[in-house]
Amino acid sequence: DIQMTQSPSSLSASVGDRVTITCRASQTISSYLNWYQHKPGKAPKLLIYVASRLQSGVPSRFSGSGSGTDFTLTISSLQPEDFATYYCQESHSPSYTFGQGTKLEIK
Amino acid sequence: QVQLVESGGGLVKPGGSLRLSCAASGFTFSDYYMSWVRQAPGKGLEWVSYISSSGNTMYYADSVKGRFTISRDNAKNSLYLQMNSLGAEDTAVYYCARVSLLPYSYGMYYFDYWGQGMLVTVSS
Repeated sequence: DIQMTQSPSSLSASVGDRVTITCRASQTISSYLNWYQHKPGKAPKLLIYVASRLQSGVPSRFSGSGSGTDFTLTISSLQPEDFATYYCQESHSPSYTFGQGTKLEIK
Repeated sequence: QVQLVESGGGLVKPGGSLRLSCAASGFTFSDYYMSWVRQAPGKGLEWVSYISSSGNTMYYADSVKGRFTISRDNAKNSLYLQMNSLGAEDTAVYYCARVSLLPYSYGMYYFDYWGQGMLVTVSS
């Protein structure tokens, strides 16, 4: 099975900061990588699909990059509504494994 | 607009069964794969199962294989998850999600719409 490891597990940042979250796959997955935002009590929200494609309606401050085993999600200028937990997910295998999550908190 | 509404959750005793439903609207349900994802208290997201658009192909996480069955009724725009032999480890919020495929790609799937989730609690 493919394992997905995110770092850091938690992160404190301020409004306006540039933030980067990384995701590493245990084997190469090409660009089969998606990113989601999840807030408590809400439905998860797709941000980025196929490593770098911005989902319709998602602000352009979110971007994704990477291929193979190493991927990043970048938020260029944090807004108050961005404080949430972020998950990567591989779609290379029919197990759609999620990373363990990165909780982004207000500093 | 796309809507996914889960129902059927609640409290069940260990060893018991429960059937979750997900009512879909706002898109052509029969054109899409669908999936279930869960989140246990204090834990991250865990993929549970998915089903092809026709209902002919299903995959399951090892943690639920042999106990859970995913199904769909395209005439009713509905997705189901039959959960048997439930244990405390199955306590979670269960989400249904629509699965989209990047056009002209091979297997580049992503979960683009999600329901609000339904809590399942397994406890005596």
